[in-house]
Amino acid sequence: QVQLQESGPGLVKSSETLSLTCTVSGGSVSGYYWTWIRQPPGKGLEWIGYIYYSGTTNYNPSLKSRVTMSVDTSKNQFSLKLSSVTAADTAVYYCARDRSSHFDFWGQGTLVTVSS
Amino acid sequence: DIQMTQSPSSLSASVGDRVTITCQASQDISNYLNWYQQKPGKAPKLLIYDASNLETGVPSRFSGSGSGTDFTFTISSLQPEDIATYYCQEYDNLYTFGQGTKLEIK
Repeated sequence: QVQLQESGPGLVKSSETLSLTCTVSGGSVSGYYWTWIRQPPGKGLEWIGYIYYSGTTNYNPSLKSRVTMSVDTSKNQFSLKLSSVTAADTAVYYCARDRSSHFDFWGQGTLVTVSS
Repeated sequence: DIQMTQSPSSLSASVGDRVTITCQASQDISNYLNWYQQKPGKAPKLLIYDASNLETGVPSRFSGSGSGTDFTFTISSLQPEDIATYYCQEYDNLYTFGQGTKLEIK
């Protein structure tokens, strides 16, 4: 059973960069797409972007200018960086395995709060 | 951009009821539509993919149908453990989620 675990700071200052890592266990990052999704408190789901194990990326146009994703196959991890954060970026951030259509395995999510 | 409109936004039903949620796409997305269940404090869980295919291990009381712009998600007999928020998600053009339907027990 594939398992994903998000890790990173739970508090980020406004205008700084949010950095999260997703560690995959029970399977390999190789051969798959991997996605980040976020959910502001009490609101719906927003797709941030995906990365293929080879490093190819595709980002939500609304966030594209601030998002960078990377993958480390040797560590079985992939990462998200979101720059110039504001209070609007406060959310639970999920990583998930992306089957190019649906998301079949998800991490438990991690709350990131942007403080002023 | 494709817009996904779910209705209703909230729903109250009794155990044993048949429950239906709809999702409308702003343009034709063929059958590129999935349904997820999210319980409070938990990650979403895939229930239905490609509009009508039941994910492995998901109870058969859940079903989906539709194509083009109009889609339906049905719980044939509501169980207490089905209390959750349900989201549709398209993948015709990147990925867009509906705004969610919060399901409560009457």
